[in-house]
Amino acid sequence: AQTIHQWPVAEIKAVGSPLSLGCTIKGKSSPNLYWYWQATGGTLQQLFYSITVGQVESVVQLNLSASRPKDDQFILSTEKLLLSHSGFYLCAWTGDTGQLYFGEGSKLTVL
Amino acid sequence: GEQVEQLPSSLIVQEGASVLINCSYTDSASVYFPWYKQEPGKRLQFIIDIRSNMERKQTQRLTLLFDKKTKHLSLHITATQPGDSAIYFCSASSNYQLIWGSGTKLIIKP
Repeated sequence: AQTIHQWPVAEIKAVGSPLSLGCTIKGKSSPNLYWYWQATGGTLQQLFYSITVGQVESVVQLNLSASRPKDDQFILSTEKLLLSHSGFYLCAWTGDTGQLYFGEGSKLTVL
Repeated sequence: GEQVEQLPSSLIVQEGASVLINCSYTDSASVYFPWYKQEPGKRLQFIIDIRSNMERKQTQRLTLLFDKKTKHLSLHITATQPGDSAIYFCSASSNYQLIWGSGTKLIIKP
């Protein structure tokens, strides 16, 4: 069975500090991977997607970057956090029918 | 770009009642419309989807209707249970991008 795991579960960071969030998928070869941002209880905004190792497409410009260093790993990062980066970050992969399978999310608070 | 509007933003009903959640989208190029559910403290979970070549899809207590002409979808949940309490999201997909509605918070009163 496929599993998706995100880390860390939660982070409290200062404005201007760097950030790295990670996501690992096990049991699925060459998955399409996605990063989403969700405001508390709000709608989701797709940030990045990747269909293969080393290739990442940006959907919106939010002073964030993403990388896919391995087939099963997707990393979201920034060198300088803004207050507006606070929220819930979700990693997901798509199954063969197109449905998304989400990780448990990483809650980011920027102070 | 694509925009998805979802209404109502919240709904409180008695257990056993039926509910209707509506979504409309703007981009006629969108071909795939999945819906997800987010229960408190749990992961977003896929519940039902429909493609633009279909008008209706049903699974257990969920019925999803799609009108390509009016660019409108509606999700009907029957015989609601307390476990149905969650935020429901509709979305519209074109290529690799998914645009999401703002969510409908559904509360089922026992």
